[in-house]
Amino acid sequence: NAGVMQNPRHLVRRRGQEARLRCSPMKGHSHVYWYRQLPEEGLKFMVYLQKENIIDESGMPKERFSAEFPKEGPSILRIQQVVRGDSAAYFCASSVLSSSYNEQFFGPGTRLTVL
Amino acid sequence: TQLLEQSPQFLSIQEGENLTVYCNSSSVFSSLQWYRQEPGEGPVLLVTVVTGGEVKKLKRLTFQFGDARKDSSLHITAAQPGDTGLYLCAGFGTGNQFYFGTGTSLTVIP
Repeated sequence: NAGVMQNPRHLVRRRGQEARLRCSPMKGHSHVYWYRQLPEEGLKFMVYLQKENIIDESGMPKERFSAEFPKEGPSILRIQQVVRGDSAAYFCASSVLSSSYNEQFFGPGTRLTVL
Repeated sequence: TQLLEQSPQFLSIQEGENLTVYCNSSSVFSSLQWYRQEPGEGPVLLVTVVTGGEVKKLKRLTFQFGDARKDSSLHITAAQPGDTGLYLCAGFGTGNQFYFGTGTSLTVIP
């Protein structure tokens, strides 16, 4: 049973370009969470999605950032017109929620470098 | 937002020593997870605790969930260099959200 997959693992973009980060959740998981992490820091929540729905995007900047989780295919985190401050590691996690026991499993992350 | 504070933020100890990491909040969580993250990798789930007062052991690691389900601790016995990493706690709370602690960076010196 494959774990959470993310690609690419490393992404280099120049200022003003677009970055697309992909996340395939674990089989059977319908909840996806995206986080951002700067070096030596903890995880910062960005967005929580279920299939075809954005549940909570309170941690995601209103401009340039968007996320989707279509009925078919991976979840996508899209950053338009990247700036140097967007350089970070971006992690996605998936979960299957039950009434009493909930766990998240993380992918290996995408390290975005903006030149 | 349900905040989780971890302490200490940084910890550097000699191999063989014991240590405890704390995860505290004023909020109640239905469950709490502990993760370890190594450089360049994603966090790896170590354990989930659900019941107030619950204690779980994973080899030399002991995890405890507070009676009121607001706090947790991670105790490592006889630390080894392989224990080095960033330890994160996360509580499952309102809005089906996982609220992450601030992290504890552990270095075990051989």
